[in-house]
Amino acid sequence: SQTIHQWPATLVQPVGSPLSLECTVEGTSNPNLYWYRQAAGRGLQLLFYSVGIGQISSEVPQNLSASRPQDRQFILSSKKLLLSDSGFYLCAWSTGGLDQPQHFGDGTRLSIL
Amino acid sequence: AQSVTQLDSHVSVSEGTPVLLRCNYSSSYSPSLFWYVQHPNKGLQLLLKYTSAATLVKGINGFEAEFKKSETSFHLTKPSAHMSDAAEYFCVVRPSGSARQLTFGSGTQLTVLP
Repeated sequence: SQTIHQWPATLVQPVGSPLSLECTVEGTSNPNLYWYRQAAGRGLQLLFYSVGIGQISSEVPQNLSASRPQDRQFILSSKKLLLSDSGFYLCAWSTGGLDQPQHFGDGTRLSIL
Repeated sequence: AQSVTQLDSHVSVSEGTPVLLRCNYSSSYSPSLFWYVQHPNKGLQLLLKYTSAATLVKGINGFEAEFKKSETSFHLTKPSAHMSDAAEYFCVVRPSGSARQLTFGSGTQLTVLP
């Protein structure tokens, strides 16, 4: 069966520091991969998605970037964190079928001080 | 453009009583619709999905939802609430033809009282 792993589960970083969040998927090949941010009390905002290695699409302009160095690895990064980058970050995957749902990891709680 | 409206931000029910979480959507095309549940500090878990097959969809943990095109609704129900159902629930729409674009409702927090 397919599984998705995100780490770390929680992270506290100072303003201006770099960021690297990692997400890996097991049990499937060539998944679509997604990064979302969930602000407190709100729904999810899609940040990036990827349909293959090295292919990244950004949904909103921001201080973050994403990379997909391997088929089942998706990384969210920043060179200099802002206070507004605080939030709950979720990685998700789906198969290529248009009626298939997305499956989510357990998320990373990021707090910027 | 598609949108999703969850009509109640908070719902409280007593254990053993029915649950109704309301969702209305707008979409230019035949959408796929989903309900997800999120427990505190956890990711979203898929409860059920509608993808233009049967209009009454059964999901996990005794939940079901009915797609009503005439009312553009996709309400989530459960006959008898359990304490473990306390969580936040998201109604999600994806327009046909898009593998990536999901629109999330703002969520409904379900409280189950003993």
